[in-house]
Amino acid sequence: NAGVTQTPKFQVLKTGQSMTLQCAQDMNHEYMSWYRQDPGMGLRLIHYSVGAGITDQGEVPNGYNVSRSTTEDFPLRLLSAAPSQTSVYFCASSRGALVMNTEAFFGQGTRLTVV
Amino acid sequence: GQQLNQSPQSMFIQEGEDVSMNCTSSSIFNTWLWYKQDPGEGPVLLIALYKAGELTSNGRLTAQFGITRKDSFLNISASIPSDVGIYFCAGQLNSGAGSYQLTFGKGTKLSVIP
Repeated sequence: NAGVTQTPKFQVLKTGQSMTLQCAQDMNHEYMSWYRQDPGMGLRLIHYSVGAGITDQGEVPNGYNVSRSTTEDFPLRLLSAAPSQTSVYFCASSRGALVMNTEAFFGQGTRLTVV
Repeated sequence: GQQLNQSPQSMFIQEGEDVSMNCTSSSIFNTWLWYKQDPGEGPVLLIALYKAGELTSNGRLTAQFGITRKDSFLNISASIPSDVGIYFCAGQLNSGAGSYQLTFGKGTKLSVIP
């Protein structure tokens, strides 16, 4: 059981480049989300999705786009990378928005550096 | 949005000592979660709390959901070197739109001296 899989694990981008961080889960979870983790800031929610075809903004959505065409995948796109987006990105999934025991399971993270 | 205050920010303890950390919020949460993060890894769920006043244990870990629903604490008894890591609390609230967003504390970094 793979759980939540994120790729790549590490990435270096130049300012202005675009890229997509991939996230896939094999637990048939409805709810998926993206967080960024910066030193001393904890985890902050970027975007989330309560099901295929439905996405919404979290606390820090600017500079990021998401889509949810399937239950399994929830990619995060950086359209024009900026140094302020240097961070560790975590994808998480949980059983559902309307189900109890909605503990979130996290991927191993993607370490992104924008130079 | 909701804010969580987690304390202490860091702790240095001797192996074998007990540890206590807590989170407080200005808002009410329906669920409190405690996660541990090892270096280079994603957070891993330790304990989930669903009812005000609930006290739950997981091995040497014990966590409680505060009666007011605005706070939670985590205790680790008889610490061992592998307890080293960053511990996060997270509050979960049904926003009413069917979403269960997590709000995280900033973490407690635990160091255990052998």
